[in-house]
Amino acid sequence: AQTVTQSQPEMSVQEAETVTLSCTYDTSESDYYLFWYKQPPSRQMILVIRQEAYKQQNATENRFSVNFQKAAKSFSLKISDSQLGDAAMYFCAYRRQETSGSRLTFGEGTQLTVNP
Amino acid sequence: DTGVSQNPRHKITKRGQNVTFRCDPISEHNRLYWYRQTLGQGPEFLTYFQNEAQLEKSRLLSDRFSAERPKGSFSTLEIQRTEQGDSAMYLCASSLGASPYGYTFGSGTRLTVV
Repeated sequence: AQTVTQSQPEMSVQEAETVTLSCTYDTSESDYYLFWYKQPPSRQMILVIRQEAYKQQNATENRFSVNFQKAAKSFSLKISDSQLGDAAMYFCAYRRQETSGSRLTFGEGTQLTVNP
Repeated sequence: DTGVSQNPRHKITKRGQNVTFRCDPISEHNRLYWYRQTLGQGPEFLTYFQNEAQLEKSRLLSDRFSAERPKGSFSTLEIQRTEQGDSAMYLCASSLGASPYGYTFGSGTRLTVV
């Protein structure tokens, strides 16, 4: 079974600074997707960024980028120029690349605090 | 389309009572998922539908839990004889097929069993 581990329950960053959230996963599959979701206090999970395992190039979305290390099964999220609105719980998630089943497996989450 | 809608937002019930939650997915999405999230944890998969067919159920979905999606549109999740351990956030999400873009989540229903 696939597992996702986020070893940092809490992180804090100063506004305008950069922070990196860690995620490791375990799978025997070679093709899969990885995601970072943000869950603010309003509770709705919002997709931040995604990465296909077959792509070597790290995904970027504006201030958000990932460091995907397939051999190490590591998928960290870097937030640059942190803003107060980035404060939220961040979840790393894994999904197999198949058409029949598509459950997401989530990590435990990292609570990010942004200090003004 | 306003996204995935879940009702109610909050539900407080006495132990032993039955509760039902509703999820309205994005209209063109054929897949619908239910997850449970306890405080401080990541969401855990419960079940998912493709159109009206329930294709996968987690072991977490005990006999007291039942989910339906009768016409392939909205879905209901019923918990019978609620227990205090059922207290959690119940999240619904939808997608168009096995979308590589992940799911669109609703805001969840928070259940408190007293």
